Amino acid sequence: EDKVVQSPLSLVVHEGDTVTLNCSYEVTNFRSLLWYKQEKKAPTFLFMLTSSGIEKKSGRLSSILDKKELFSILNITATQTGDSAVYLCAVDNTDKLIFGTGTRLQVFP
Amino acid sequence: NAGVTQTPKFRVLKTGQSMTLLCAQDMNHEYMYWYRQDPGMGLRLIHYSVGEGTTAKGEVPDGYNVSRLKKQNFLLGLESAAPSQTSVYFCASRRAEYEKLFFGSGTQLSVL
Repeated sequence: EDKVVQSPLSLVVHEGDTVTLNCSYEVTNFRSLLWYKQEKKAPTFLFMLTSSGIEKKSGRLSSILDKKELFSILNITATQTGDSAVYLCAVDNTDKLIFGTGTRLQVFP
Repeated sequence: NAGVTQTPKFRVLKTGQSMTLLCAQDMNHEYMYWYRQDPGMGLRLIHYSVGEGTTAKGEVPDGYNVSRLKKQNFLLGLESAAPSQTSVYFCASRRAEYEKLFFGSGTQLSVL
């Protein structure tokens, strides 16, 4: 059965800290791995990763994929209160995306 | 530029009632999806469509039906609502395989 597992489930940090979110997967037809940020409503797209070892970066956020070990990490440096959200990992399995349970990040001043 | 629009945004049903959730996208996307989100469960796929006139079951299809008569619309139906269907429902679409999903703003459904 295809599955996507995220860890930790919840994380509480102070502003300025660096965090690493993890996503591991087991799927039969891997196409790509995607990260989304969900604040109050709809998830918003962060990154799509298709190749191992190539870091994607956007400001303080970065992500990398390891297709041999079947996992990805999302790093956030110098966290801000606006980073507080649920971060979702999803794997594209041919015609559909399979999501993990998400990591809830809370950043306090 | 509306993107993905879901109606209604909120709904309260009594057990046994029926309703239809409408998802509309104006991006000419081929693929459309219905997910539900429950606390601690992430997003679970209910049904999806890879093109007009097609539908397929996801992880949790029981108790739901869907139709994709027009490319831009994807309807999710509950024939006889149950309290276990209390959830937040998200519609999403994408142009093709290998592309990211665009999400609607969600529908909060409560079944009493």
